[in-house]
Amino acid sequence: GQSLEQPSEVTAVEGAIVQINCTYQTSGFYGLSWYQQHDGGAPTFLSYNALDGLEETGRFSSFLSRSDSYGYLLLQELQMKDSASYFCAVMGYGQNFVFGPGTRLSVLP
Amino acid sequence: DTGVSQNPRHKITKRGQNVTFRCDPISEHNRLYWYRQTLGQGPEFLTYFQNEAQLEKSRLLSDRFSAERPKGSFSTLEIQRTEQGDSAMYLCASSLRAGGREDNEQFFGPGTRLTVL
Repeated sequence: GQSLEQPSEVTAVEGAIVQINCTYQTSGFYGLSWYQQHDGGAPTFLSYNALDGLEETGRFSSFLSRSDSYGYLLLQELQMKDSASYFCAVMGYGQNFVFGPGTRLSVLP
Repeated sequence: DTGVSQNPRHKITKRGQNVTFRCDPISEHNRLYWYRQTLGQGPEFLTYFQNEAQLEKSRLLSDRFSAERPKGSFSTLEIQRTEQGDSAMYLCASSLRAGGREDNEQFFGPGTRLTVL
């Protein structure tokens, strides 16, 4: 099976950089994904890491280290609209997705 | 609108009643997922389909839950004899199984919020 852990809350100021960590225990998975969910909205896909290393998509970057069972999402130049919940997720070999509990990011002016 | 749609958006029912939700995925997507999400938690996987075949079902899913995807297009999720613990947001997502990175990008619908009284 799979289980993922994330910090429950993170607070940062506008313009700053914030890192949201995700540690996992899994018997095997294809890769680590990140999703953003605003209050009352549906999750939206942000990033995916199949291999170790850093993937960059605009202001967002995601990192994976399989040897450390660890990944993170890096958000740069924070904006107020980035206030949301962020979920890491793994796709297991059974093709099911397991989501982490989520990290609520609050961006302050 | 070519995104994932779900109906109804809200459903209030009394304990013991049956409810059915519908999901219409993005038309070219061959994979469809159902999740349940409660406040402050991540989406919890329920089941998924590749085309019309149901390939995986969560061990946490009781036999009161059943899902279908006839003809590999829309899908329905039925909950029989609802309980108050079934109150949650039910999310549907679709993706394209093509053997690449896009396999991991799911597109979510707006969800159906179920309240069991």
